[in-house]
Amino acid sequence: DTEVTQTPKHLVMGMTNKKSLKCEQHMGHRAMYWYKQKAKKPPELMFVYSYEKLSINESVPSRFSPECPNSSLLNLHLHALQPEDSALYLCASSSRGLAGVDEQFFGPGTRLTVL
Amino acid sequence: KQEVTQIPAALSVPEGENLVLNCSFTDSAIYNLQWFRQDPGKGLTSLLLIQSSQREQTSGRLNASLDKSSGRSTLYIAASQPGDSATYLCAVDDSNYQLIWGAGTKLIIKP
Repeated sequence: DTEVTQTPKHLVMGMTNKKSLKCEQHMGHRAMYWYKQKAKKPPELMFVYSYEKLSINESVPSRFSPECPNSSLLNLHLHALQPEDSALYLCASSSRGLAGVDEQFFGPGTRLTVL
Repeated sequence: KQEVTQIPAALSVPEGENLVLNCSFTDSAIYNLQWFRQDPGKGLTSLLLIQSSQREQTSGRLNASLDKSSGRSTLYIAASQPGDSATYLCAVDDSNYQLIWGAGTKLIIKP
């Protein structure tokens, strides 16, 4: 099973709301990723968790807060977002195996709209 | 700094034709190259991953090649179908498991 699931599929929130995005994989992968994708652009890396520890934070504003409760779950907590944060948020996972075989598998994404 | 380029940005071909999508990268020191497909508003589907030691990978009607010395990869799609219409992205993993992305090629297959 090469499936990464994400909930919710769509989310509309106001600038004062707090919400969370969730991601789950059951492939035994030890690396999980959050990406942000704007229309007609490639994904932009936000965070990487490796063995449940935050290993990469691509200078993301603090209104985005990642959390990795266990090796299968990844959350992205949202607070005080801006309209320009509206985008497709993608979760991915990979095995963190030998270099050269680290295939990333993506979830279907959460379409976020900030009003 | 690694840069990945995909040309053309868009391509429209009649159904049944064979076609080639191109991906080039500036630094040949890569671990692997991955091709993805993305339908509008959807997530990315991994199509093929080519390790740096490999020259090509095949899956069904898809064949991806890698020439590290020239910094090029191609994705060959045989006997194209309307269902192949999507945006195709290539991404290079050159260090620390971070992918460097091309801007994508939007492919339209006309029935």
